[in-house]
Amino acid sequence: GQQLNQSPQSMFIQEGEDVSMNCTSSSIFNTWLWYKQDPGEGPVLLIALYKAGELTSNGRLTAQFGITRKDSFLNISASIPSDVGIYFCAGREVKASGTYKYIFGTGTRLKVLA
Amino acid sequence: EAGVTQSPTHLIKTRGQQVTLRCSPISGHTSVYWYQQALGLGLQFLLWYDEGEERNRGNFPPRFSGRQFPNYSSELNVNALELEDSALYLCARARDRARDTQYFGPGTRLTVL
Repeated sequence: GQQLNQSPQSMFIQEGEDVSMNCTSSSIFNTWLWYKQDPGEGPVLLIALYKAGELTSNGRLTAQFGITRKDSFLNISASIPSDVGIYFCAGREVKASGTYKYIFGTGTRLKVLA
Repeated sequence: EAGVTQSPTHLIKTRGQQVTLRCSPISGHTSVYWYQQALGLGLQFLLWYDEGEERNRGNFPPRFSGRQFPNYSSELNVNALELEDSALYLCARARDRARDTQYFGPGTRLTVL
C-alpha cells in the first residue's frame, strides 16, 4: 500500500534529549497530521497543520508544514519516558477528481532511556 | 477522549469466515474512515463514508466492504477471511468532509487462524 517516507525508523534517546523526525512525500499535501500510537491502541492526534510554512506547538511538541508542501517535521523537546511509542505522520492528498484521502507514514518508533 | 467507539475489541476467526466490525462516532460527526494496520506496520486506508455514502476506497479487494447508517455509525465487513487479514482495524471520525481532521478509536484486533 501507499505510505509516506518517515525517518528515522526508530530511535533510542536519553531522557531529557530533544527528538526530531520527519516525513517526506512525492505528492503535494494540503494537510499534515501527527499522531502517537501506544501498543494495541489507536493513534492519538498530536498536532494538525493546515498551511504551508505553518509552525504549531502542543506543549513540548512542535511541528512544521514544509513550504514545499511535500514534507513535515515533528520535534519533541526534553523527552520523558512516557514519550515512548510510535509516531506517525499523515498527509492529505487531494486528487484531480476532488476526492481525497490521508496517507500515513511508516512510523518512527521512539524509545526513551531513563 | 477520542469520541469513537469500536466493537468488538478482539475477534478470532478462521479462514473463509466472514466478520463485521462496528464503529460509532460522537454525535454530529458525519465522516467515518476505516484503516487496516497489520502488526508492526503503518495504517492502510480502507474506506471513507460521509453522510451515508461511500466517498473513497483504498486498494483493497471487494471482499472488504461497509456501510454507514443514518446515525453515522458504520460497519466494516470482510468476507472470505484470509490469514493476512489479521490486523488491527481502526476507525476514525471527522466532523464532516470539510473539517476532516481524524480522531481514532481504540481499534478491533482481528486474528484469522
